Amino acid sequence: AQSVSQHNHHVILSEAASLELGCNYSYGGTVNLFWYVQYPGQHLQLLLKYFSGDPLVKGIKGFEAEFIKSKFSFNLRKPSVQWSDTAEYFCAVNSYNNNDMRFGAGTRLTVKP
Amino acid sequence: DAGVTQSPTHLIKTRGQQVTLRCSPKSGHDTVSWYQQALGQGPQFIFQYYEEEERQRGNFPDRFSGHQFPNYSSELNVNALLLGDSALYLCASSLHGQDYGYTFGSGTRLTVV
Repeated sequence: AQSVSQHNHHVILSEAASLELGCNYSYGGTVNLFWYVQYPGQHLQLLLKYFSGDPLVKGIKGFEAEFIKSKFSFNLRKPSVQWSDTAEYFCAVNSYNNNDMRFGAGTRLTVKP
Repeated sequence: DAGVTQSPTHLIKTRGQQVTLRCSPKSGHDTVSWYQQALGQGPQFIFQYYEEEERQRGNFPDRFSGHQFPNYSSELNVNALLLGDSALYLCASSLHGQDYGYTFGSGTRLTVV
């Protein structure tokens, strides 16, 4: 069955620190990968997505993610976080040509000013 | 503006009652997916509607049912409410066959007492 695992439940960083959030998925076929962000009191917003091609994907607000097929991973990174990055981050996957998207449990990021 | 409209925003129901939640997809989208997000958890896939039919279903009991109308809007119905049904219910729309990710609404917060 399709599943997504996010390693960190809660991450606390100081401003300007580097960020890496882990995501691993379990699925046998071709997949599309996503990172969504949910700011406090707001709806889920798409940060970035990977379908094919360059495994290093750049998204909004300075975020990037790297798809490593051999490790079934799609980790999210940001070189220098800001207080405004405080939010919940969700990794998601759906199979190619299939709109059934599955989410990880989420990682709560708290950035201290 | 999320583009996806959900109503109501908040709802309080008593155990055993029935509830109907509504969703209007983003303009141009024809597929609606419903998710349940319990506090501190990632969204869990309930089902997806396309062409007025349920196309895929997650691991939810038959108490959860839905409908899609010709204008692509959708309803989620939950019968015989349990305390454990208390959650944020999210609607996401997409364009069938296009893997561009979902657009999410702000959700309906259901509290069962």
